[in-house]
Amino acid sequence: GAVVSQHPSWVICKSGTSVKIECRSLDFQATTMFWYRQFPKQSLMLMATSNEGSKATYEQGVEKDKFLINHASLTLSTLTVTSAHPEDSSFYICSARIGGRNNQPQHFGDGTRLSIL
Amino acid sequence: DQQVKQNSPSLSVQEGRISILNCDYTNSMFDYFLWYKKYPAEGPTFLISISSIKDKNEDGRFTVFLNKSAKHLSLHIVPSQPGDSAVYFCAASASNTNAGKSTFGDGTTLTVKP
Repeated sequence: GAVVSQHPSWVICKSGTSVKIECRSLDFQATTMFWYRQFPKQSLMLMATSNEGSKATYEQGVEKDKFLINHASLTLSTLTVTSAHPEDSSFYICSARIGGRNNQPQHFGDGTRLSIL
Repeated sequence: DQQVKQNSPSLSVQEGRISILNCDYTNSMFDYFLWYKKYPAEGPTFLISISSIKDKNEDGRFTVFLNKSAKHLSLHIVPSQPGDSAVYFCAASASNTNAGKSTFGDGTTLTVKP
């Protein structure tokens, strides 16, 4: 079946560091990928929609300059947390849909646990 | 304003019995609904979906019911198995929106006791 690979699975770094998270669709092309953030015991909060070849669409309240998204190919989207601080510590998950139809399920990566010291 | 709500944060069921997870939504534009299952430290995996033109969809032990007038859907798992213990997220999307992004509920933690 469809697989979405997310890397790294776990990052610990110092405050002020920029961290890049990769999301790859392994056996299908994804024109659209989604980036979520999940706080403990809370739901998945959509951060942005990543569109191949164009700018990402950010949800209200998400800082574009803080969370840089690049979707350079049909199989790769990256999220860079710039100058990360402890409040950015969270579980980040990406997802992708096969094809362009909206009524299709999303396939999720296994997430990245980001811990900023 | 939370558009998708799962009012029960947790549910405990005996193995072999039925598990019923509930979800309510407020946005009448939603026309596609999904259930995802999530284990700790993993991403959610798709379980079952239903279009607004249907009121029931069944896949093996899993059945999703949709009541559009009440803006309510439920997931039935029967018989429940210990391996079903996970967090279940309800999600909804509107097919006419940009990229069809989904709105998720807060999740219900299901524990199936042997």
